Amino acid sequence: QQQVKQSPQSLIVQKGGISIINCAYENTAFDYFPWYQQFPGKGPALLIAIRPDVSEKKEGRFTISFNKSAKQFSLHIMDSQPGDSATYFCAASTHGSGNTGKLIFGQGTTLQVKP
Amino acid sequence: ETGVTQSPTHLIKTRGQQVTLRCSSQSGHNTVSWYQQALGQGPQFIFQYYREEENGRGNFPPRFSGLQFPNYSSELNVNALELDDSALYLCASSPGTGSYEQYFGPGTRLTVT
Repeated sequence: QQQVKQSPQSLIVQKGGISIINCAYENTAFDYFPWYQQFPGKGPALLIAIRPDVSEKKEGRFTISFNKSAKQFSLHIMDSQPGDSATYFCAASTHGSGNTGKLIFGQGTTLQVKP
Repeated sequence: ETGVTQSPTHLIKTRGQQVTLRCSSQSGHNTVSWYQQALGQGPQFIFQYYREEENGRGNFPPRFSGLQFPNYSSELNVNALELDDSALYLCASSPGTGSYEQYFGPGTRLTVT
């Protein structure tokens, strides 16, 4: 019940295209859903995050779509660029008393954007 | 304002040895979490410290232990190293109560031979 399932495992997109990565969860107590971007040899960088009280959040070229009833959320990267080539992780956490929760990560998606 | 820093960058140890990894949290952040990331996998939660107290622990054996200091920096100690402990160890800091964001450091790559 604590798992977060991410797909696809890898993704190849042409420059200018839309990259879409999906995640599904079981634990309805999750109340925070971030996406992280990780380059080889680096730590994950927080990209964008959403709370379950909204269905969509957009920051620049990155958009999270959230479907509470389906227990799914996805990351859309518009106008994908070669510099976006990285591994992307979705995650989820719960916060019982308002403190920072533990992040449960998906398995990751390796994105390659071809020039 | 500096971000999360970790030391050392790389470390090679022998099976059975002990290791200490260090993390300096981002300025103003009082919560530190440690994660283990095996090659090709997502990070796995080890434990979290909030104002020098352990505030949650993942499914890791007791030979994984930690500390948080008054300046909110933190250490991860691993005793009796096993080959499977080879991984990237990540530290993440958070502003604490009421804030859910976690910001990761660059990690320490531990290799156990």
